[in-house]
Amino acid sequence: AQSVAQPEDQVNVAEGNPLTVKCTYSVSGNPYLFWYVQYPNRGLQFLLKYITGDNLVKGSYGFEAEFNKSQTSFHLKKPSALVSDSALYFCAVRDWGKNDMRFGAGTRLTVKP
Amino acid sequence: EAQVTQNPRYLITVTGKKLTVTCSQNMNHEYMSWYRQDPGLGLRQIYYSMNVEVTDKGDVPEGYKVSRKEKRNFPLILESPSPNQTSLYFCASSFIQYDSPLHFGNGTRLTVT
Repeated sequence: AQSVAQPEDQVNVAEGNPLTVKCTYSVSGNPYLFWYVQYPNRGLQFLLKYITGDNLVKGSYGFEAEFNKSQTSFHLKKPSALVSDSALYFCAVRDWGKNDMRFGAGTRLTVKP
Repeated sequence: EAQVTQNPRYLITVTGKKLTVTCSQNMNHEYMSWYRQDPGLGLRQIYYSMNVEVTDKGDVPEGYKVSRKEKRNFPLILESPSPNQTSLYFCASSFIQYDSPLHFGNGTRLTVT
C-alpha cells in the first residue's frame, strides 16, 4: 500500500528566508503526489501536485515542489517565506490504480518576523 | 461558489447516542471521502465512495457507517459513539481521475463524553 512520511513535526524559519518541508513516499506504481495546507479552523487546501513531466512543479502562493524519483521524495519549497505561510502542511500520495489518497502526519511551519 | 459543506462544525455528545454528520458538495464530484484528523497521526481515511451507491472501507472504518444515495451527499453516521471517536472529521470530494485534488470541508470537531 502507498504511504507518506513527513520526517519533521515542526519547521521554523525566519521571514524572507527560503523554506523546505520534506516528504518521502512509497508506492508500488507511479505516484500522484500532492501538497495541502491547513490554516487554523479550516479544512485542507490544495497547493500543488506532481503527476508527470518536469520534476519541479509550481503551485499556489509562490510554493513549488521538487520530485525526486531516485530518492522517492517530494519536498515543498518556497524561496522567501512569509509570516502568513505559517500553517500545517500535509503531503499526500495516490498510487496509480488506487483511488484512496494517503496523507503524511503533517509538518507545522512557523515563520517568524 | 464551489464548496464542500459539513454540518455541524462542533458537536458534543454522550457515549452511545447516535449521531450523523452531514456532507454535501456542489461540484458534481464522483468521489467522496471521510477522514479523521488526530494529533501526530495526520489524516486517516474512514470510508470513501467512488459514486452513488458505491462505498468502501478506508483504514479506520470501525464504529462508522456511510451512505451515498445521492451524488452530492455523503453523511457519516456514528451509531453508538465512544470517547475514542473524539476527533476532528473532514469530508472531501474530487473527480474520479487520479490526478484530481481533493476539496475539503471545514471540518467537524466531535467530542464524545
